[in-house]
Amino acid sequence: DTEVTQTPKHLVMGMTNKKSLKCEQHMGHRAMYWYKQKAKKPPELMFVYSYEKLSINESVPSRFSPECPNSSLLNLHLHALQPEDSALYLCASSHRTLWDTQYFGPGTRLTVL
Amino acid sequence: GQQVMQIPQYQHVQEGEDFTTYCNSSTTLSNIQWYKQRPGGHPVFLIQLVKSGEVKKQKRLTFQFGEAKKNSSLHITATQTTDVGTYFCAGPKSSGSARQLTFGSGTQLTVLP
Repeated sequence: DTEVTQTPKHLVMGMTNKKSLKCEQHMGHRAMYWYKQKAKKPPELMFVYSYEKLSINESVPSRFSPECPNSSLLNLHLHALQPEDSALYLCASSHRTLWDTQYFGPGTRLTVL
Repeated sequence: GQQVMQIPQYQHVQEGEDFTTYCNSSTTLSNIQWYKQRPGGHPVFLIQLVKSGEVKKQKRLTFQFGEAKKNSSLHITATQTTDVGTYFCAGPKSSGSARQLTFGSGTQLTVLP
């Protein structure tokens, strides 16, 4: 199984809402990531979890809160987002480090109204 | 800081023509990865190059890593409509003690039938 799954596929939320994005992999990977991708731009790294511990936070605003409940799951909790946060949010995993092959999920397309 | 530059930004070709995208780094890379993202899709890993001067082929795709390990190219022979998408290179960078992956800006390929 070389698949990373993400739910939901699409999400529309208001600026006062609280929502969560979910990501799951069963490849035994020990590194998991959240990326943000705007249209026609490359993915931008947000967070890195290594062995279930947060190892990189790319100066992401606190309205984004990551969580890694176990080695297969990764969540991204959203609260009080801004319209400019609308983007494709991609989860990825790799064997152990960012320098290993990244397996991306299909993404959650988020719209903030 | 280290940057990975990619050109061209866009390329339109007639089906059957060849296509090349180039990636250049300001510093030596330990390895470089290539990803393809179809329209509306997510990045999919294509290949990783590690050795200086390395050349790898996947059917009509040829990947090269420069002798100085500062540049790389992806060449597609006789493009097909299935080649449509954005091609990203990605190289590792070190920021303090953290390892990160930096993506090039991508080359968006359109293949006209």
